[in-house]
Amino acid sequence: AQSVAQPEDQVNVAEGNPLTVKCTYSVSGNPYLFWYVQYPNRGLQFLLKYITGDNLVKGSYGFEAEFNKSQTSFHLKKPSALVSDSALYFCAVSSDSWGKFQFGAGTQVVVTP
Amino acid sequence: NAGVTQTPKFQVLKTGQSMTLQCAQDMNHNSMYWYRQDPGMGLRLIYYSASEGTTDKGEVPNGYNVSRLNKREFSLRLESAAPSQTSVYFCASSEAFAGVRDTQYFGPGTRLTVL
Repeated sequence: AQSVAQPEDQVNVAEGNPLTVKCTYSVSGNPYLFWYVQYPNRGLQFLLKYITGDNLVKGSYGFEAEFNKSQTSFHLKKPSALVSDSALYFCAVSSDSWGKFQFGAGTQVVVTP
Repeated sequence: NAGVTQTPKFQVLKTGQSMTLQCAQDMNHNSMYWYRQDPGMGLRLIYYSASEGTTDKGEVPNGYNVSRLNKREFSLRLESAAPSQTSVYFCASSEAFAGVRDTQYFGPGTRLTVL
């Protein structure tokens, strides 16, 4: 079975400060990892993914994520947060042995001016 | 290029009523998915279709049926709605067969309330 954990329900950060949203996973086989963002009353928007290769993945809107195989983590980061980054963020995992996505519960990010 | 579209955006049903949620994609994707989103639970897969003509159960299929009408369209039917089906429903699509590694693209969602 595969699973995803987002240990923080909410992350609060001041504008201009670094933003980190945590994600850990458990899968059989090679993991494929994704981050999505959801703004209020909208669908999920794709931010970035790790399939293979470089452990540091760069995505949309200045976000990046680092794949850490030994810690089974895929944390989302942004060097300088904006108020407009306030949204709900989801981590998702898939794998060779199970083709469907498993989503985390989501982390609400609140960026204050 | 509209991406993934869903209708309706909002719906209120009474217990026992039926309805069909419609989804269409214009990206020529092979795989399509239906999820429900409930607070604190992320997205849970209801049904998916790896290719035209095939459908499979996901994590929470009870109370739902689906039809892959053609490559573009994938509908979700509630035969006898229950209050436990109050949720936000999302349709998604991805390019490859079974979509293991492929990004899923989501529609705007349908907010359903069952009284």
